[in-house]
Amino acid sequence: DVVMTQSPLSLPVTLGQPASISCRSSQSLVDTDGKTYLNWFQQRPGQSPRRLIYQVSNRDSGVPDRFSGSGSGTDFTLKISRVEAEDVGIYYCMQGTHWPLTFGPGTKVDIK
Amino acid sequence: QVHLVQSGAEVQKPGSSVRVSCKASGGTFSTHTFSWLRQTPGQGLEWIGGIVPVFGAAKNSHKFQGRLTISADESTTTVFMELSGLRSEDTAVYFCATDINRPVTDHWGQGTLVTVSS
Repeated sequence: DVVMTQSPLSLPVTLGQPASISCRSSQSLVDTDGKTYLNWFQQRPGQSPRRLIYQVSNRDSGVPDRFSGSGSGTDFTLKISRVEAEDVGIYYCMQGTHWPLTFGPGTKVDIK
Repeated sequence: QVHLVQSGAEVQKPGSSVRVSCKASGGTFSTHTFSWLRQTPGQGLEWIGGIVPVFGAAKNSHKFQGRLTISADESTTTVFMELSGLRSEDTAVYFCATDINRPVTDHWGQGTLVTVSS
């Protein structure tokens, strides 16, 4: 199975400041169709997860534009340009190129 | 807009089976990709299997081979996850979700806590 790693695992941030989460895969996530199936999910406390970003850099509907995704191959990044209180939660990267789908361990974002 | 409602919490004994349902409303049921995932206490997310109702055949993580059955009933727009041979390590919150790996909006159920305890 493809192993997904994330860093840091804990990220205390100051409101209004940027934040960045790294995600790495044990194999390239470029599929045979040329697309890269790397997704980012947010799970707020007590809630079900929701996806923020699909295929590396595409924001889902309703996701604030302070969230952005980038990367290629095996290295990917989720950035929050200015952290707001509602961004507290755990962020997971997930690869969907290889079966089974696999998730990173999660990065816990909280406010300093 | 798809709305997913899962069945309620379950307590099961080791070695038994559990069946969790996920009722979908809104959208076109048959064409969505439904996934089942689980989250163990204090741990991260794990994809366990999925199904596209229009195709019928489920695809499961090899980790659950022989223990997991995912099915869909188009007449009731409900997806089911049945896990047999339960062990304490299967204690988790189980989620159903749609289209988590497709370029369309994903939707999630509220989660179902399954506790395996003697």
